[in-house]
This record gives sequence, structure tokens and C-alpha cells, in this order.
Amino acid sequence: KAGVTQTPRYLIKTRGQQVTLSCSPISGHRSVSWYQQTPGQGLQFLFEYFSETQRNKGNFPGRFSGRQFSNSRSEMNVSTLELGDSALYLCASRPDRANTGELFFGEGSRLTVL
Amino acid sequence: QKEVEQNSGPLSVPEGAIASLNCTYSDRGSQSFFWYRQYSGKSPELIMFIYSNGDKEDGRFTAQLNKASQYVSLLIRDSQPSDSATYLCAVRYNFNKFYFGSGTKLNVKP
Repeated sequence: KAGVTQTPRYLIKTRGQQVTLSCSPISGHRSVSWYQQTPGQGLQFLFEYFSETQRNKGNFPGRFSGRQFSNSRSEMNVSTLELGDSALYLCASRPDRANTGELFFGEGSRLTVL
Repeated sequence: QKEVEQNSGPLSVPEGAIASLNCTYSDRGSQSFFWYRQYSGKSPELIMFIYSNGDKEDGRFTAQLNKASQYVSLLIRDSQPSDSATYLCAVRYNFNKFYFGSGTKLNVKP
């Protein structure tokens, strides 16, 4: 069974640009969540989607947005990039009725903002 | 803001020793608690989860939860160099909203 796939794996942008990251969850998983990981702040929750609806949202500015498609694939977008947006962006999927609460993470998209 | 606090470490233990990793959380409404392991350059992977007060054992790993003290810990017995990684404590609230600590880096020395 294929794992969570994130693209691109690495990207470099300049301040003011925008970026779109993609995540394909494990087949059958309808819940997709996004996290930002930085050395100083650790893993911070961005948002979570389920069946194309945003169910939860973290404390990030409106520059961070996301969406989910009918096939459960998800994208997140960051507009007007700032230096502080440099981070590893992790996507995680979860089965609908998992009692463990386990999140299955992708390898991440490492964004560098210059 | 719901907070999850961990000592960043590094925590160094000799091979074969017990490694003790600790985590505190701020919100008494927390529903369930997780320990993830993250090797350098890799994504986090689940080690254990615990819902109820007390201990839960799985092989060399034991998770301990004390909801009154808002404290969760992970014990690793017979630590191995392959256990060297960053350990992330996570707390789940409603639906799939998880809050993670910043992680504790563990070094197991041969």
C-alpha cells in the first residue's frame, strides 16, 4: 500500500512569491492534515480536511490556505511568502475509524524562502 | 492556546539503559496522547498512544499518563543506538486536531 506522497520535496522561493504544495493520502484515507515543522517551534498544526471540508484550523495567518479534492488529495497554498515561512511542511492522513488516532505522515516538502 | 511542553534535550543515555522522556500539556480537555519518533531527515512515525491513566506497555516501550498532573511520559528500556531520534509528544483534542511538543532529542551511546 502506497504511503502519503508529497510534492515537491524541495523548493526555493523568494519573498513575496506564492507556493502550492500537494499531498496524496493513503488510499481510503479521507482525513488530511497539514503541519509546519521548524527547529524553533516544532510541529504546528495548520489545518485538517475531511471529505473536501475544512474541519479544523490552527493559528496561522490567512496567507496559509488549503483545499481538498473529491479524491482526497489536498493542496496547501502560502501567498506573499515571508522568510519565516521557511520550514518543512508535513502532510498526514488518517483512516476514518482509526481508534489509535495514528497519523501517517508524508516525507514533507521543504520550503526555503530567500 | 493549547500547549505541549517537552525538554528539547539532548538526552544522552548509554546503551542498555532506560531512557525517560517527559511531556506536559496545558488543556484538561485533552482526549488522547501519542508518542511519535522522528529520525533525522525523516517523517514522524507513531510509537505508542494512551488514553487512560496509568501505564501502557509495548515491548521495550512504556507510556505513562497522569491526567490529574497533566503529564505523560515514555520509557524506553534497554535503549539501543537505533533508538537515537527525536521523540514528539502529541495531544489530540476534537476530531483530528493534534498539538505537538517541540520534541526531545535522544542519543543512545554504544
